[in-house]
Amino acid sequence: GIQVEQSPPDLILQEGANSTLRCNFSDSVNNLQWFHQNPWGQLINLFYIPSGTKQNGRLSATTVATERYSLLYISSSQTTDSGVYFCAVGGGSGNTGKLIFGQGTTLQVKP
Amino acid sequence: GAGVSQSPSNKVTEKGKDVELRCDPISGHTALYWYRQSLGQGLEFLIYFQGNSAPDKSGLPSDRFSAERTGGSVSTLTIQRTQQEDSAVYLCASSLITGSYEQYFGPGTRLTVT
Repeated sequence: GIQVEQSPPDLILQEGANSTLRCNFSDSVNNLQWFHQNPWGQLINLFYIPSGTKQNGRLSATTVATERYSLLYISSSQTTDSGVYFCAVGGGSGNTGKLIFGQGTTLQVKP
Repeated sequence: GAGVSQSPSNKVTEKGKDVELRCDPISGHTALYWYRQSLGQGLEFLIYFQGNSAPDKSGLPSDRFSAERTGGSVSTLTIQRTQQEDSAVYLCASSLITGSYEQYFGPGTRLTVT
């Protein structure tokens, strides 16, 4: 099955700093989503981005499907950005839509 | 509109008891997915439904786990004879149809087996 690797596993930033989170995957995908898991455990949809580039406020994401990676950019970080960021992919034979998750990047933004 | 809802939000049960977890998908979404999040295993797929059919049950960890969906809407995940290793957060997601469509997650049910 598809393997998903996220880096770095942990990241500590000062408020106002920028960061880049990376997601590598081992096979072609039809679906790629970025999530932020808040302190209550809820997975918040950030981007649905199987290819291309999208921006939403201080966040943007780029997926280069041919090279099998995606990047999540956080600019001017705030303490509320703290939490775990997951990349999840779907695809392969059958394309049932089930998502394979990476292990996550834990972000801490200090005031 | 309303998002995915799950109940109960928390469940504590004794080892050996059966539990039922419920998921209400977004109205109009025909695809429904169950995942589990545990400390040792991360987020893992359990089962999905397209309508009331479950074509892929490959993620169910044992035959103590089963799921059904009725009326193309509500789904129930049942765990029989619970074990301590079943303790986890059980997450439900829905999408418009199966395949390459964005999934939206519910808040989860935190299951603790004592």
